[in-house]
Amino acid sequence: ETGVTQSPTHLIKTRGQQVTLRCSSQSGHNTVSWYQQALGQGPQFIFQYYREEENGRGNFPPRFSGLQFPNYSSELNVNALELDDSALYLCASSPGSQGTQPTFGSGTRLTVV
Amino acid sequence: AQSVAQPEDQVNVAEGNPLTVKCTYSVSGNPYLFWYVQYPNRGLQFLLKYITGDNLVKGSYGFEAEFNKSQTSFHLKKPSALVSDSALYFCAVRSYYGGSQGNLIFGKGTKLSVKP
Repeated sequence: ETGVTQSPTHLIKTRGQQVTLRCSSQSGHNTVSWYQQALGQGPQFIFQYYREEENGRGNFPPRFSGLQFPNYSSELNVNALELDDSALYLCASSPGSQGTQPTFGSGTRLTVV
Repeated sequence: AQSVAQPEDQVNVAEGNPLTVKCTYSVSGNPYLFWYVQYPNRGLQFLLKYITGDNLVKGSYGFEAEFNKSQTSFHLKKPSALVSDSALYFCAVRSYYGGSQGNLIFGKGTKLSVKP
């Protein structure tokens, strides 16, 4: 079975621009969540999608938005980029039950200049 | 509010010695606890989890963790450390959405350094 894949692996954007990050979930997983990991910090929960609907959100502003598609892949969109948005963005997928562990992708390193 | 604390920023141990990486948690209800490892410029790799049952949980690469409800702790252990175990370790607890799967709440991480 394939794991979680994220694209791109790295990108550099200018402050004020918009960015879209993509994630393909592991086969059979219907839940996708996104995390932001700033340098030297633990991952912080952004939001989660279950069967194409957002069913949880962390303490992030509305300029962070997302989508989940019928094949359970997902996008994270960030508008009006700020320097503090520079971080590793991690996508994780899981089958959707409480006892299962999420499988993480390798992440997208976003640098905002 | 649910939270996870990893009190040590860094743990240093000699190869072959036992290692412990500490984690304490705060949750309402029964905790679902996880350990992940992160190598430089990589995502998180799952090591082990506690859902219910035996307090000693065995995981990948020879790691194990002991769940202690009275001390609200879930310390990661390994009897004999390897240089290749050097990495960043994260403890996490699952939040509860009243039926649907909750997100993970992570500690700040502990850097493990194993010297030859």
